[in-house]
Amino acid sequence: QVQLQQSGPGLVKPSGTLSLTCALSGGSINSDTWWSWLRQSPGKGLEWIGELYPTGSSSYNPSLESRITISLDMTKNQFSLTVTSVTAADTAVYFCARADASRLFHSWGQGVPVIVSS
Amino acid sequence: IQMTQSPSTLSASVGDRVTITCRASQSIDRWLAWYQQKPGKAPRLLIYKASTLESGVPSRFSGSGSGTNFTLTISSLQADDLATYHCQRYNNYLPSFGGGTKVEIK
Repeated sequence: QVQLQQSGPGLVKPSGTLSLTCALSGGSINSDTWWSWLRQSPGKGLEWIGELYPTGSSSYNPSLESRITISLDMTKNQFSLTVTSVTAADTAVYFCARADASRLFHSWGQGVPVIVSS
Repeated sequence: IQMTQSPSTLSASVGDRVTITCRASQSIDRWLAWYQQKPGKAPRLLIYKASTLESGVPSRFSGSGSGTNFTLTISSLQADDLATYHCQRYNNYLPSFGGGTKVEIK
C-alpha cells in the first residue's frame, strides 16, 4: 500500500522560500504516476499547484508557475516542492498526492500547515 | 472551468438523507470526482466518473449527474460522515475543485 509522508518547516518568512518533501513508501517513485502538490488555504477550497511525471514532464498552475518547482529524487524515493518569494497569501496546508493519468488523486500525504509570517 | 458547490455548510441528523450539489461552468461530461475530508485529515477519494464508488466506500454514498450538474447523496447520514466534501473536475489540464461542503451532525 502506497503511503506518502510529508516533511518541511511550518513557518517561512515573507519573501523567503518554502520547501517541502514527500517521501514514498510501498511503491516506486519511478512509476506511471503524476506526483502532485496541492494546497488548502484557510477557509478555502483545494488548489492544484502542479505535477511531475518520472520522465520529467511537468505542469504547473499558471497562477503560481513563475514561483514553483517540483522535483523528483529517485535515489531517495521522494519528490519535493519549492515555492519562492512567498507572501501571506501562500499560507495554507500543503498536500502531496499521487495521481493517475486522468488526474484522480488516489493517495495523499498527511498535509503540512505552512504559515508565512515574520 | 469553475466548479461551484452548494450548500457551503449543512447540518443534518443521523439517518437523514443528505444531498450536495456541484455545478461546472461548462460541460465536463462525467469527469467529476468527490472526495471526503475529515477534520485535520487529507482528502479521500469517494466517487469518480460521477457515479463510480471507489473500493471500500460504503454503499450509502452515491453520485449522479453529467454535463454541468452533479450531486453527491448520503442515503442515511452516520456520525462518521462528519466531514467536508469536495468535488473535482479531472481528466484535463488544471484539475479544479469546488469550494467544499461542510457536513455537520445535529
